[in-house]
Parts: sequence; structure tokens; C-alpha cells
Amino acid sequence: DTAVSQTPKYLVTQMGNDKSIKCEQNLGHDTMYWYKQDSKKFLKIMFSYNNKELIINETVPNRFSPKSPDKAHLNLHINSLELGDSAVYFCASSQVSLSSYNEQFFGPGTRLTVL
Amino acid sequence: AQSVSQHNHHVILSEAASLELGCNYSYGGTVNLFWYVQYPGQHLQLLLKYFSGDPLVKGIKGFEAEFIKSKFSFNLRKPSVQWSDTAEYFCAVRGGADGLTFGKGTHLIIQP
Repeated sequence: DTAVSQTPKYLVTQMGNDKSIKCEQNLGHDTMYWYKQDSKKFLKIMFSYNNKELIINETVPNRFSPKSPDKAHLNLHINSLELGDSAVYFCASSQVSLSSYNEQFFGPGTRLTVL
Repeated sequence: AQSVSQHNHHVILSEAASLELGCNYSYGGTVNLFWYVQYPGQHLQLLLKYFSGDPLVKGIKGFEAEFIKSKFSFNLRKPSVQWSDTAEYFCAVRGGADGLTFGKGTHLIIQP
């Protein structure tokens, strides 16, 4: 079974459209994340979601909104897509406890292309 | 705020050569450090991690890293690389619920 899964794997869309990327983890982790990897392979945290607390990277435009229907899912909604949103988006999860910080497990990524 | 600096953006080595990738970090809290690898077209996989204890950390596939607190460094090493080690390597520092802060990555190419 895949630990962290994302759908779709590839997403091609027009500027101005609204799209969603889904993420699910079956590891029982309490924290989930979204990262953006740009064309230069630079990875940057966008959001983390822990026990219904959302921590937002302040540089992320408000066109991006994460939604968590339950602990195992953290979906990413993007409104009014722009060319610069083209990137690979990775979902990740971890179990963040008071006494230790565990590794993050990454999904396979979603390659978003905005035309 | 934390930051991670990887010194080498592109490294080309021949098979059997020794590898050392530099990583320096800046973080005010308890240090948790990671090296992730991304093979072409694949997702990130954890190579190794440091939380506490022995500063020399052994990872998968023969990789190791040494945490040197005085130098704020966590360099990745492998004594003899293989063609299959061609990949992108990322150093990262803990952010807790804030997530990981990654370096800009090192693109490693191993020539047969």
C-alpha cells in the first residue's frame, strides 16, 4: 500500500481555471504538508496542517487553499491559476509529537502545467 | 527563521569516486537535520536523519552524514559512488509543525 498518495499525477490546465490536487496518507500521522518544487528543483513549504491547525507560509498567494476533510487527507485547491503556478506539488505527512520530530514521508508529486 | 545552504549545485563524479556534499544550516531551536534524495522522475526519499546522540549518522545505500555543531554543518558522504546514485540531493532542517526548510539541492551526476 502506498503510504502517501496524490492524485492526479499530471495536471494540465488553462490560465484562470480552478483546480484541486488530492492527498491521502494511511500512516496515521497527525500532520500533513504541501510543498512546491519549482523548475529549478527548489522545494518550499506551502502549508502544514496539524490537529486542525493550519500554518501558512506567508509567501503563498491566497489563491491557494488547503482543505482537510479528516486527518488522513489534505487537499490543495488553487483558484485563478497563473503561469507561475506551474510546478511539481508534493504532499507529505509526519507524526509530530512533543518529544520527537519524525521524518516526513512524501507523496509521488503532482506535475501541474498551466498553459 | 531557519535556512539551509548547500554549497554545490552541480557535482559530476566518476563511478567509485568518493562523495561529499556540503550543507550548512541556521536554526535557533533544537536541531533536526535530514538528507533526502530524489531520483529522476521520483518523489523524495529519506537517506538519513539526525536528531540527537552520535553525530555520525548512517543512512541507506551506504550514505552517512556528520553533524558538526560548531560549524553548523551536516555534510553528506559516501566513500564510493555508483551510477545509480545519480539524483538530486536535498539537505533539510526541522521545522516541527512548520515543515521542513530545504536547501536548493545538489544535482549529482555519476559517469560510468
